[in-house]
Amino acid sequence: DGGITQSPKYLFRKEGQNVTLSCEQNLNHDAMYWYRQDPGQGLRLIYYSQIVNDFQKGDIAEGYSVSREKKESFPLTVTSAQKNPTAFYLCASSIMATYEQYFGPGTRLTVT
Amino acid sequence: KQEVTQIPAALSVPEGENLVLNCSFTDSAIYNLQWFRQDPGKGLTSLLLIQSSQREQTSGRLNASLDKSSGRSTLYIAASQPGDSATYLCAALLQKLVFGQGTRLTINP
Repeated sequence: DGGITQSPKYLFRKEGQNVTLSCEQNLNHDAMYWYRQDPGQGLRLIYYSQIVNDFQKGDIAEGYSVSREKKESFPLTVTSAQKNPTAFYLCASSIMATYEQYFGPGTRLTVT
Repeated sequence: KQEVTQIPAALSVPEGENLVLNCSFTDSAIYNLQWFRQDPGKGLTSLLLIQSSQREQTSGRLNASLDKSSGRSTLYIAASQPGDSATYLCAALLQKLVFGQGTRLTINP
């Protein structure tokens, strides 16, 4: 079965701790994305990567970091510098030919 | 800056009705427009993708249209069912995908 997996589904952390969210895809897509979804704010782009070992900041990259060492994997680290990290995080990938995006099931992060 | 708007924010209709969800965007130079469905607490499921050169796409009971000149797209759902209840999001692609806030649809049995 081809798809995008995100783990864990729920994540709880104390304020001041860094946390890494996993995203893996077996669709052989070149591009991968991280979004954040907050109630009443829609989806906002954090980072994206079109090829291995290269990535670009999205609209709200401050306090986040990513890596793209393998085509299949695009982990997101939420650092202690992120002022309001509690949110629903969604990973996506796309086909370069059409840019149609496919999403994973999401990780709900709660920081207290 | 591209802005995407979806009206209404919420819609409730009885089962069996045909309905239309609206999406408008400010920059007509889009590459494509994508419609998604999101169930509570879940990720987004891609429903339809309309390339900029296309006018509409159909999948089962769903039909999406695109009018770039007026900056509008509609999602038509025929013979609605309770299982269609979800939030529907549209997103327009320019340099990046810009999402609307969504329409929360409830189909009442």
